[in-house]
Amino acid sequence: QSVLTQPPSVSGAPGQRVTISCKGSRSNIGARYGYDVHWYQQLPGTAPKLLIYGNDNRPSGVPDRFSGSKSGTSASLVIQGLQAEDEADYYCQSYDVDLRGSVFGGGTRLTVL
Amino acid sequence: QITLTESGPTLVKPTQTLTLTCTYSGFSLSTRGVGVGWIRQTPGKALEWLALIYWNDDKAYSASLKTRLTISEDTFENQVVLTMTTMDPVDTGTYFCAHYRRGDFDPSTSTYGDWYFDIWGRGTLVTVSS
Repeated sequence: QSVLTQPPSVSGAPGQRVTISCKGSRSNIGARYGYDVHWYQQLPGTAPKLLIYGNDNRPSGVPDRFSGSKSGTSASLVIQGLQAEDEADYYCQSYDVDLRGSVFGGGTRLTVL
Repeated sequence: QITLTESGPTLVKPTQTLTLTCTYSGFSLSTRGVGVGWIRQTPGKALEWLALIYWNDDKAYSASLKTRLTISEDTFENQVVLTMTTMDPVDTGTYFCAHYRRGDFDPSTSTYGDWYFDIWGRGTLVTVSS
């Protein structure tokens, strides 16, 4: 069981919008000082790639179709204007003060119908 | 351009010790605000953070694996080494090393954002079997 909870799968048709949730607790995302959430995209057969850092920041080169947000003990990744190339696994990551280390979500597989 | 490359045995026997090397370029592990981490991905697909080493030689380990892990650096060779003792078939998976960096400085709060893995190596597959 992962410390951060994500839905195992989501799907959407090309052009649609999908949201992937990441639910934590008061020892990580919702901690007193609120630890940041980061998102990674893993295309089939490749290494994870940073998609969103610091809750809502996109690294250079990441399309603005991808956006992130955080509220309370949860975070969300929104993908607008779905494209076939977005089909991948998505992982959230944060810091857990009780475990004193980084924690990942269980991952969400996005299928573009 | 930052790159990281993992290397090590592809097959280890149960109870043996695994030694993995991460060879990096494009940055110095002596630079403030930088680290290198190890993350693995089991066949069940989830990512699991294992260990970190920071620019100041501080180290951090997964609570569940702490007794089995050791992370070290060789700054002259630009390498970070991870050893994991008492390997078991459940440890089979792909092991990644990644560049770990501190978040952006926020002048309004005079604090830095939290750390994250911004550049990953391709990973190395390790199978534990007799």
